[in-house]
Amino acid sequence: DQQVKQNSPSLSVQEGRISILNCDYTNSMFDYFLWYKKYPAEGPTFLISISSIKDKNEDGRFTVFLNKSAKHLSLHIVPSQPGDSAVYFCAALSGGYNKLIFGAGTRLAVHP
Amino acid sequence: DGGITQSPKYLFRKEGQNVTLSCEQNLNHDAMYWYRQDPGQGLRLIYYSQIVNDFQKGDIAEGYSVSREKKESFPLTVTSAQKNPTAFYLCASSISLSNQPQHFGDGTRLSIL
Repeated sequence: DQQVKQNSPSLSVQEGRISILNCDYTNSMFDYFLWYKKYPAEGPTFLISISSIKDKNEDGRFTVFLNKSAKHLSLHIVPSQPGDSAVYFCAALSGGYNKLIFGAGTRLAVHP
Repeated sequence: DGGITQSPKYLFRKEGQNVTLSCEQNLNHDAMYWYRQDPGQGLRLIYYSQIVNDFQKGDIAEGYSVSREKKESFPLTVTSAQKNPTAFYLCASSISLSNQPQHFGDGTRLSIL
């Protein structure tokens, strides 16, 4: 049973435009969400996170939005750059569970 | 420079052999984790440790074993009981279980000869 789902395996965006990566979850006990970026043959790198008490968190070009009623979060990258091309993983944590649950990832390709 | 070091980057194993993957961190983190990544899938938790001399099974612990004798080290042994060991293995650490985010090493790719 996938508790964290990234339904789009890939996304292609033109350089300078907005990239929107989506993530849905099923467990209402999740209270902390993270986005990781991963290049081939490397470990994931932490990008940005959001607590369930917020609905938005911003860090430079990256913004994460959380819609608790819809159990949905999204990562916006504006403007997109070729160096953003990577696989993006959404992950969720519940306070009582102490384990990160990862989605399957979305491969973002930013082309000139 | 603080970080997590996994070695080797590539590892080959003959069927029936045990193999140990190394993970060392100098971040002074209490919690450490092992994940497995297969193509088209997210990371799945194998084992985790919240403190020295303690570790817990994750979601796919069968065929694996770990030890946590030192704070900075969390080696993973892939035993011959693991039926499908070919995968990309990632080690991570965090300040504590409840204090995220987790920071990852660059992984070890294990292949069966």
